[in-house]
Amino acid sequence: AQSVTQLDSQVPVFEEAPVELRCNYSSSVSVYLFWYVQYPNQGLQLLLKYLSGSTLVESINGFEAEFNKSQTSFHLRKPSVHISDTAEYFCAVRLQGGATNKLIFGTGTLLAVQP
Amino acid sequence: GAVVSQHPSRVICKSGTSVKIECRSLDFQATTMFWYRQFPKQSLMLMATSNEGSKATYEQGVEKDKFLINHASLTLSTLTVTSAHPEDSSFYICSATSLDKPTYEQYFGPGTRLTVT
Repeated sequence: AQSVTQLDSQVPVFEEAPVELRCNYSSSVSVYLFWYVQYPNQGLQLLLKYLSGSTLVESINGFEAEFNKSQTSFHLRKPSVHISDTAEYFCAVRLQGGATNKLIFGTGTLLAVQP
Repeated sequence: GAVVSQHPSRVICKSGTSVKIECRSLDFQATTMFWYRQFPKQSLMLMATSNEGSKATYEQGVEKDKFLINHASLTLSTLTVTSAHPEDSSFYICSATSLDKPTYEQYFGPGTRLTVT
């Protein structure tokens, strides 16, 4: 079975500071990896994904995540955060080539950006 | 593109009544739709997976008679919470995969907040 661990339930950070949100996963088979963002009272929006190829993936709003197979991690980083980045961030995995499209989510990390 | 809507966005119902939540793919045909439940400050828990014209597949521990899912067309799935109780109060989110896009991409609706009084 697959599982996703986000150890930090909340990460407070000052505006313009760098941030890293941690994500580790467990799976006996290859997986696709995703980061989703959820703003208050809204559904999830895909932030970025790793499917194959380059282990560093980037989003259009300055976030990046690096797939590390040996450490089974997919940490999310941003060099300089804005107030508008305040949201809940979920890491998720999905089996590659599986019969199911099921996503397994972590428990989420609340990024709280302070002025 | 790939927009998913949910209706209603918020609903309050009395204990013992049933409530229906709609999930629509607005600009694509959805091969599969998923229903999730999210408790405050917690992650999304998959409740069931439905394919158009087929019976939904429920996750372990989800009562299929309580959470009725109908996926009558390629653009509409409904979740009916029957005989709702206060413990059913939650944020319900649907997602869908598209016929025209890779199946690893799920498109999420904005969610429906259900409050049972």
